[in-house]
Amino acid sequence: AQSVAQPEDQVNVAEGNPLTVKCTYSVSGNPYLFWYVQYPNRGLQFLLKYITGDNLVKGSYGFEAEFNKSQTSFHLKKPSALVSDSALYFCALYNFNKFYFGSGTKLNVKP
Amino acid sequence: GAVVSQHPSWVICKSGTSVKIECRSLDFQATTMFWYRQFPKQSLMLMATSNEGSKATYEQGVEKDKFLINHASLTLSTLTVTSAHPEDSSFYICSARDAGSGDTGELFFGEGSRLTVL
Repeated sequence: AQSVAQPEDQVNVAEGNPLTVKCTYSVSGNPYLFWYVQYPNRGLQFLLKYITGDNLVKGSYGFEAEFNKSQTSFHLKKPSALVSDSALYFCALYNFNKFYFGSGTKLNVKP
Repeated sequence: GAVVSQHPSWVICKSGTSVKIECRSLDFQATTMFWYRQFPKQSLMLMATSNEGSKATYEQGVEKDKFLINHASLTLSTLTVTSAHPEDSSFYICSARDAGSGDTGELFFGEGSRLTVL
């Protein structure tokens, strides 16, 4: 069975500090993994994806994610958080023509 | 990146009326579009997969007669909420993939439609 888990409902970080939003997955076969961001009353915006190749994926707005096959994780990271990064973040897995979304993690970046 | 346009952004209607939401891929062709429903502070729930030129595939528990989906062209899918009731109030989001992107392409999302049924 395919699934995505985001263990943290909320992550709080001070501006300028590094941030990590966690994601783990379960899939049969090779995983195609994605991160999206959602601002209030808006659709989702694509940040980055892992398909194959280098385990460290760089995406939009300075975000990156590290694919770890042994830990079945795909954590989202950013070296220095901005207040404008405050939003809802979704990890997603693609398998058999469907996207499976995690429950979302609300990121709060405080000045 | 590719753009998906969703309209209307907000709609308020009376109970018992029907509401149509449009989803358009503006600069790419989408053989498949997906309709999601999002409840407050929750993740996206896939309602149905819309296939161009054929019937939509609905997820378990989603009423086909309640949520009518039409995918008449490679750039347009519509969701009609028929005989809407207050419990249908929600945030509806459509998404699409570029038909040429294969299995590795990301989903592009519309801006969502906030439906409020009085």
